Amino acid sequence: GEEVAQTPKHLVRGEGQKAKLYCAPIKGHSYVFWYQQVLKNEFKFLISFQNENVFDETGMPKERFSAKCLPNSPCSLEIQATKLEDSAVYFCASSPGSGRRETQYFGPGTRLLVL
Amino acid sequence: QKEVEQNSGPLSVPEGAIASLNCTYSDRVSQSFFWYRQYSGKSPELIMSIYSNGDKEDGRFTAQLNKASQYVSLLIRDSQPSDSATYLCALVGGGNKLTFGTGTQLKVEL
Repeated sequence: GEEVAQTPKHLVRGEGQKAKLYCAPIKGHSYVFWYQQVLKNEFKFLISFQNENVFDETGMPKERFSAKCLPNSPCSLEIQATKLEDSAVYFCASSPGSGRRETQYFGPGTRLLVL
Repeated sequence: QKEVEQNSGPLSVPEGAIASLNCTYSDRVSQSFFWYRQYSGKSPELIMSIYSNGDKEDGRFTAQLNKASQYVSLLIRDSQPSDSATYLCALVGGGNKLTFGTGTQLKVEL
């Protein structure tokens, strides 16, 4: 598609429950990035993929977060045993290549609320 | 010190005026800089990118980069109420991930 698609738009989970978010990058884009936006404007990088391979996972809290990008499937970000502090908007972005001048195009985000 | 610093605002300007948004960064090796606009409840959308020292103009927007002083700015001419949003400065770091500032809220008043 011509836009990054993310589902669901909203997700509510009780503390300790699992949450799974999905992202379909723009067709032809090889790179996918996940960011977490908390407290209105604080963006935090989580993980990036080059096709189905992890490119950079330096931002991932590995104890509870995992992510995949499998061929012919949307990418996913999964949070096991959610905590209150996981409440945030999770944005997925995609870019055509890996160059430092490549624009990252953002999806609409998934708003996760952990109660 | 944060990697990317912005004044959170709000910055209020009257309609038709020039809005000036500033950003400083700490990593001297940063080469690529982006300005994104984010409306409340929406995703960031790219306004401008700049890679070389100097000015880059696109319509009502001008981005300015000074690598020696480690600052990037965005000027919006003839500000409109529809420009009211949060403007995020971002640079590309290792692994090509974006590092964002906390954004400046701009309010254009009628």
